Amino acid sequence: QKEVEQNSGPLSVPEGAIASLNCTYSDRGSQSFFWYRQYSGKSPELIMSIYSNGDKEDGRFTAQLNKASQYVSLLIRDSQPSDSATYLCAVLTGGFKTIFGAGTRLFVKA
Amino acid sequence: EAGVVQSPRYKIIEKKQPVAFWCNPISGHNTLYWYRQNLGQGPELLIRYENEEAVDDSQLPKDRFSAERLKGVDSTLKIQPAELGDSAVYLCASSLEGGFRNTIYFGEGSWLTVV
Repeated sequence: QKEVEQNSGPLSVPEGAIASLNCTYSDRGSQSFFWYRQYSGKSPELIMSIYSNGDKEDGRFTAQLNKASQYVSLLIRDSQPSDSATYLCAVLTGGFKTIFGAGTRLFVKA
Repeated sequence: EAGVVQSPRYKIIEKKQPVAFWCNPISGHNTLYWYRQNLGQGPELLIRYENEEAVDDSQLPKDRFSAERLKGVDSTLKIQPAELGDSAVYLCASSLEGGFRNTIYFGEGSWLTVV
């Protein structure tokens, strides 16, 4: 079992729709969770961080965390073609190591 | 505020040749990371520094890779000799501290092609 797992996609959604990206992790001692966006040929950039169970909203982005299920998700509302990228889930484990998933490719069709 | 700066951005070398990458972290960030990212994969940690100390180098292939962070600021990652499988993007990153609210910021990356 990989430490951080994501569906590789591609996930294709029409413009204006909600994109839902999911991530599971194996270390129950993990405390902090991050979503990064990576455009092709670019480095990852932080979108959101979440530390507590529940939802955290920032503009069109909502991160959701369920530690009991070891599950974290990212919702993108009103998806735009400019949101097309690879989304990386990152988990700071109990050993203070930040582990990245392989990423989910998102395509937003105009 | 300047971000994480890396150089060179691109490097093409022949196998068995040496290569070095340089990184300057965000000012005031005590923790520095070197990650390697292969195509279609997420970044994988090679080494993490807290100030000058390498606190996690368990994934660094020490037979050919070496790293240093003199004076707790800039860092250099070296590969000698390079192998074809080393072709990847080498990402330097930094964070303010290594605690649980730790947020990692990446540089633009150094793209290595070994031919």
